[in-house]
Formats: sequence, C-alpha cells, structure tokens
Amino acid sequence: GAVVSQHPSWVICKSGTSVKIECRSLDFQATTMFWYRQFPKQSLMLMATSNEGSKATYEQGVEKDKFLINHASLTLSTLTVTSAHPEDSSFYICSAQQPLAKNIQYFGAGTRLSVL
Amino acid sequence: GQSLEQPSEVTAVEGAIVQINCTYQTSGFYGLSWYQQHDGGAPTFLSYNGLDGLEETGRFSSFLSRSDSYGYLLLQELQMKDSASYFCAVRDSGGYQKVTFGTGTKLQVIP
Repeated sequence: GAVVSQHPSWVICKSGTSVKIECRSLDFQATTMFWYRQFPKQSLMLMATSNEGSKATYEQGVEKDKFLINHASLTLSTLTVTSAHPEDSSFYICSAQQPLAKNIQYFGAGTRLSVL
Repeated sequence: GQSLEQPSEVTAVEGAIVQINCTYQTSGFYGLSWYQQHDGGAPTFLSYNGLDGLEETGRFSSFLSRSDSYGYLLLQELQMKDSASYFCAVRDSGGYQKVTFGTGTKLQVIP
C-alpha cells in the first residue's frame, strides 16, 4: 500500500512558539491531503483540506491564521500551528489519497503536540 | 453537514463474531469506509462500500444500505489483536471528496 510519512511524531514546545508538521506521500503523488485533529478517546475531526498549488479549504470553526497549511508540491503538505497555546495540545494526523483511488485514505503516523 | 453515529464500546470474546453498526446523515454521499485505529497509532483502511451490499476481505466484511443510510462492519474469528477503535467514514460527493469520520467504536476482545 501507499506510504505517508509524518514528522515529527512528538513535539513539546513552550506557549507562544510555532510548530511545523510535515506530511509526505512517499510513493505516490497526492493532489489532495487532509489534516485531522484527535483528542483522547474521540474521533478524528477534519481541520482542513490541503490542495496542491492552491489555498487550503478550512472546516467551520478552524482558524486559518492559527493553523497555516501549505501544499507546495504533489508530495508535501505542512501544517504550522502558530503561537501555540496549551489548548492546542492534541494529536494531529494527516492523510492522503491517490488520485485514482480516492476511496482509501492513507494516514501518517500522527504528531502528538504538547504545549507547556 | 455530515453526522455518523456508532456504538461507543463493544466487548466480545476471542473467536466470536461482532458487528459494529454505523448510521449516517449526510448532505452528500460517495461511499462508506471503515478504519481501524490502535491506541496511539494511525488509522488504517479496512473496507469500502460504494454500492449496496456486502464486501468481504478476509475476516472482515462490510455492508451498506444506502436507502437506510446504514452500514456495518463484521469481524469474524476475533483475535486479541483486533482490540482497537473502529471508525466508519463517509466520503463526500463534493469537489474534494473530503472524508468525515464517525464517533468511533472501541472494541475490546476478551479471552
């Protein structure tokens, strides 16, 4: 199956700093990637749809200036949590789909963010 | 918007069969998928139904009834390693075909 790499897997930062998370499709080109947030024992909440070469589409209630998404190439999308605060602590997961198999989402391993 | 409901927890005995139900209300529909997620891990794809009926993949089967906005995941010959959370997910019929996940069902397999 297709492989999606997500880095870092775990990050601890001080309040007010910015954190960048990378999501790469290793063996396929992904015109669309998705970013999710997951709280403990809860479901995955879609934050935004990342589109190569264009602006991300954010879900209602997600601050686009807080969560900056860049999809600069067909294999890389980045999520930057700007001026992180403790309430931003969560598990962030990206996914990608192959253009000819959109019924399957391939997920990165996730990034656990802890803001002190 | 999209809304998908699942039972929150299910417990079953090793070797048994368990069914996890999913009911959905969606503004657009392009298929129902199932994912497995172990604690601390990433979701992995299990099955997909684009049309009504049963899809079988090894010990796992998934069923869809679009007229009832209902589907289920059937796990047979349960193993201890099947203890995990299971999510149904709907693919939107919109331009980017985004995926919305259900509330999730935590399955515990006991000896």
